[in-house]
Amino acid sequence: AQTVTQSQPEMSVQEAETVTLSCTYDTSESDYYLFWYKQPPSRQMILVIRQEAYKQQNATENRFSVNFQKAAKSFSLKISDSQLGDAAMYFCAYRSGQISGNTPLVFGKGTRLSVIA
Amino acid sequence: NAGVTQTPKFQVLKTGQSMTLQCAQDMNHEYMSWYRQDPGMGLRLIHYSVGAGITDQGEVPNGYNVSRSTTEDFPLRLLSAAPSQTSVYFCASSYPGTAIGLGEKLFFGSGTQLSVL
Repeated sequence: AQTVTQSQPEMSVQEAETVTLSCTYDTSESDYYLFWYKQPPSRQMILVIRQEAYKQQNATENRFSVNFQKAAKSFSLKISDSQLGDAAMYFCAYRSGQISGNTPLVFGKGTRLSVIA
Repeated sequence: NAGVTQTPKFQVLKTGQSMTLQCAQDMNHEYMSWYRQDPGMGLRLIHYSVGAGITDQGEVPNGYNVSRSTTEDFPLRLLSAAPSQTSVYFCASSYPGTAIGLGEKLFFGSGTQLSVL
């Protein structure tokens, strides 16, 4: 079974600075997807960024980018120019890429990010 | 589109009571799932369904039942509520896994906060 590990329960960053959230995963599959979800106090789950395992290029979405190291099974999230609105719980997640059927999303335990003004 | 709709948003039960958490989506998604979120535990999969008439267990299925009689609805039933089931519950859905570029993204409901006394 796949597992996702987020080793940082809490992180903090100064406004306008850069922070990196860590995520590692364990799988024997070669085809899969990786995600970062943001959960603000409103409780809504918001997709921040996604990465296909077959793509070597790291995904980027505005101030959010990932460092995807497939061999090391590492998928870190970098937030640049941090803003107060970035304060939230961040979850790393894995989903199998099997096209034979739908598969569940496996989540890490989350990292709570605080942004200091 | 309404997306994924969960009801109720909040619920308080007494130990031993039964109830059904409702989840409906209007996007014709084949895949639907239920997660529970507990502090320090991330999101854990309870049950999921890959289509009408098909359900399967996730990581923490005990104490919960599901059914999928239609594509749109995926209710979660607690037959005899226990304090250990106090949690936030999320329903999520997605397109078929073969929908490249669409199938891997999960759409989440806004969650149900359940307290069992």
